[in-house]
Amino acid sequence: ELKVEQNPLFLSMQEGKNYTIYCNYSTTSDRLYWYRQDPGKSLESLFVLLSNGAVKQEGRLMASLDTKARLSTLHITAAVHDLSATYFCAVVPSPYSGGGADGLTFGKGTHLIIQP
Amino acid sequence: EADIYQTPRYLVIGTGKKITLECSQTMGHDKMYWYQQDPGMELHLIHYSYGVNSTEKGDLSSESTVSRIRTEHFPLTLESARPSHTSQYLCASSAGRYNEQFFGPGTRLTVL
Repeated sequence: ELKVEQNPLFLSMQEGKNYTIYCNYSTTSDRLYWYRQDPGKSLESLFVLLSNGAVKQEGRLMASLDTKARLSTLHITAAVHDLSATYFCAVVPSPYSGGGADGLTFGKGTHLIIQP
Repeated sequence: EADIYQTPRYLVIGTGKKITLECSQTMGHDKMYWYQQDPGMELHLIHYSYGVNSTEKGDLSSESTVSRIRTEHFPLTLESARPSHTSQYLCASSAGRYNEQFFGPGTRLTVL
């Protein structure tokens, strides 16, 4: 059974600081996704990571993937208040390790609060 | 931008009622999904579909059922709602090589 673990689950930080969110998963995976969810809202796709060593950046957010370590990171640079949200990583297991087809297995989410 | 719609957005009903949550997408995506999310928690896959007349159960057992008669439409039905069904239900669709999933706004269901 695929397990996805995020840490930290809660993070309060000040504007201007840097921080990293970690996502570990337990079995071989083809693809890893990062999503953002604002309170009471749906999920917004941030990044799709498809191969070992993949790195993607959008504004103050940068995501990377190490498939050998089964680890993805989401790095926040010089945080601003608008980045306050819950961030989820989600994984699709590879076709040969079972799982619900292309259905995503989510981590518990990191609730991020950025204070002025 | 993704065009995926869910209705109703909020629903409060009594125990034992039959309900259908609607999900529609205008992107022509073959694959569609239903996830359940409790407040402050992760999402769990409860149903998915690869196309018309295709439906499968997801990783989390659910008493709900789904149908896929048209590509754009993937409704979820609860025959007899119970308080344990109180949750948020999110619909998603995907297509293409990387199967990036786009989510609807969700239906927040409360069963009294």
